[in-house]
Amino acid sequence: EIVLTQSPGTLSLSPGERATLSCRASQRVSSTFLAWYQQKPGQAPRLLIYGASSRATGIPDRFSGSGSGTDFTLSISRLEPEDFAVYYCQQFGSSRYTFGQGTKLEIK
Amino acid sequence: QVQLEQSGTEVKKPGASVKVSCKASGNTFTSYYIHWVRQAPGQGLEWMGIIYPTGVFTSNPQNFQGRVTMTRDTSTTTVYMELSSLRSEDTAVYYCAREWPNTFKFDSWGQGTPVTVSS
Repeated sequence: EIVLTQSPGTLSLSPGERATLSCRASQRVSSTFLAWYQQKPGQAPRLLIYGASSRATGIPDRFSGSGSGTDFTLSISRLEPEDFAVYYCQQFGSSRYTFGQGTKLEIK
Repeated sequence: QVQLEQSGTEVKKPGASVKVSCKASGNTFTSYYIHWVRQAPGQGLEWMGIIYPTGVFTSNPQNFQGRVTMTRDTSTTTVYMELSSLRSEDTAVYYCAREWPNTFKFDSWGQGTPVTVSS
């Protein structure tokens, strides 16, 4: 099973700042199979990024994804109040999906 | 816009089974995959398995092999997930999510079904 490790566990920033979230895989992951989700308290996850760098429908362009191989990054260029949430990376490999443990983005 | 509407809160005793439903709106039900993902209280997301349009399903061998059954009813556009031999560690919110074939992204999610396992 491919293990995804996200860092940091918690990121404290202010609105307007830039956020950089990391997702590292225990084995190489095809970019096609790497996605990012946002989850707010009491809500279902929401797809943000797929194919490592493609934004899902309706996702603002302040969200961007990059990376390849074992290292992937989700960046949020200018934080808005509604961006403070938990973010998960997800991959497909060896016929199963796994998620990272999540990064909590909190208001400083 | 496809919506996934899940059944309500469940409370079960250890050793029992629970069956959660996920009803899809729209007329493309036979075209996409449905996944099940769960989230224990305060924890991350765990993939449980997938059911294909053919009705064939595959479950995550870690934690779920032999304990989960997934079915789909085309006439009611509803997918079901049944988890048996429940234990306290199965207490979680269970989500269904849609994937268009071979896109590797879950682009629509149900609202979640809380399941509590307690004696």
